[in-house]
Amino acid sequence: DADVTQTPRNRITKTGKRIMLECSQTKGHDRMYWYRQDPGLGLRLIYYSFDVKDINKGEISDGYSVSRQAQAKFSLSLESAIPNQTALYFCATSSGIYNTEAFFGQGTRLTVV
Amino acid sequence: GQQVMQIPQYQHVQEGEDFTTYCNSSTTLSNIQWYKQRPGGHPVFLIQLVKSGEVKKQKRLTFQFGEAKKNSSLHITATQTTDVGTYFCAVSSGGQNFVFGPGTRLSVLP
Repeated sequence: DADVTQTPRNRITKTGKRIMLECSQTKGHDRMYWYRQDPGLGLRLIYYSFDVKDINKGEISDGYSVSRQAQAKFSLSLESAIPNQTALYFCATSSGIYNTEAFFGQGTRLTVV
Repeated sequence: GQQVMQIPQYQHVQEGEDFTTYCNSSTTLSNIQWYKQRPGGHPVFLIQLVKSGEVKKQKRLTFQFGEAKKNSSLHITATQTTDVGTYFCAVSSGGQNFVFGPGTRLSVLP
């Protein structure tokens, strides 16, 4: 089983709908991240959390919200999806900023029509 | 904010040829990481560089951190079809998070 699991893996939704992407991890890491990947733009940080009581905005947080339900769970919500939120979304975890690597989930491909 | 560039954006090589991608930052870095993403896959950590002028090797891959700690390179010797993918650098200037570059997509023709 994967250490970082994202659900769903693929989702097509309509404009204006609310959608939640979920992430769970078994690595015991405190730090969790949500990234968005678009062709040619790399990975852009949406939100991050360093522990259950900590939530921080990333580079592109507008239109998104998150919830850290437990150390192992970090969900991303699109309150009212729009077509330009069509992208590949990755959740990642790490144990700390220095000398630590990020472990990524398999990704969720979201299409907003 | 942090500006990270990677060149080239795309590279097509014949199997057996060498490949190099460069990562350039607008600010002095505290550390840099490299990741590989296979087609249809997720980013996977390759290495982290911390020291000025540092060179690290992993089999056919050589990673270098510039003396001024503003740039880095990844060199692959004698590419193989298994090297296909997008290579990302992720940089930190001592802040809380890494900023990812746009990536270099490598294709290897057999």
